[in-house]
Amino acid sequence: EAGVAQSPRYKIIEKRQSVAFWCNPISGHATLYWYQQILGQGPKLLIQFQNNGVVDDSQLPKDRFSAERLKGVDSTLKIQPAKLEDSAVYLCASSSTGAGNYNEQFFGPGTRLTVL
Amino acid sequence: AQSVTQPDIHITVSEGASLELRCNYSYGATPYLFWYVQSPGQGLQLLLKYFSGDTLVQGIKGFEAEFKRSQSSFNLRKPSVHWSDAAEYFCAVGAGTGGGNKLTFGTGTQLKVEL
Repeated sequence: EAGVAQSPRYKIIEKRQSVAFWCNPISGHATLYWYQQILGQGPKLLIQFQNNGVVDDSQLPKDRFSAERLKGVDSTLKIQPAKLEDSAVYLCASSSTGAGNYNEQFFGPGTRLTVL
Repeated sequence: AQSVTQPDIHITVSEGASLELRCNYSYGATPYLFWYVQSPGQGLQLLLKYFSGDTLVQGIKGFEAEFKRSQSSFNLRKPSVHWSDAAEYFCAVGAGTGGGNKLTFGTGTQLKVEL
């Protein structure tokens, strides 16, 4: 079974530029998450999708960050314009929606963003 | 709101020695607790999880963790560390209707293994 795919793996941009990250979850997984992991910190949830609807985006800086999950499969996270403090690893994760209370999140390798 | 504290930023152990990584959580209800490992350039991998029942849980790669409600702790242990265990370890608490679906992570502990 293929894991969560993310691209690109690395991206370097200058501040005020825009950037987009792509995530392809595990086949059949209805729930998709985007996390931001700043160096020296744990991952922080930015947004959670259930199919193509947003479940939680309370920590997404909506003035510059946007995300979409068209057709409930792939997802794109965009930053426009980027700031220096956006330098981080952006992790995508997915989970199935089962009958139980817990659905394990499977993480992709992440995209390392450097903003100069 | 839930929170997780991992008081040790870096830990160095010799190969073959025992390991304990500390984790303290804050959550108003019964927590869902997790330990993840992250190797360089890799995503997070789940080592083990606790939801209820036996407070000593076994995970992959020979790791175990013990839930102590009185101490709000969920420490990770391994009796004999291998060089391949060098990585960063994250403790997390889960909340939300799905239990583990909204994860709050600690800041991580970087493990170095000396040969």
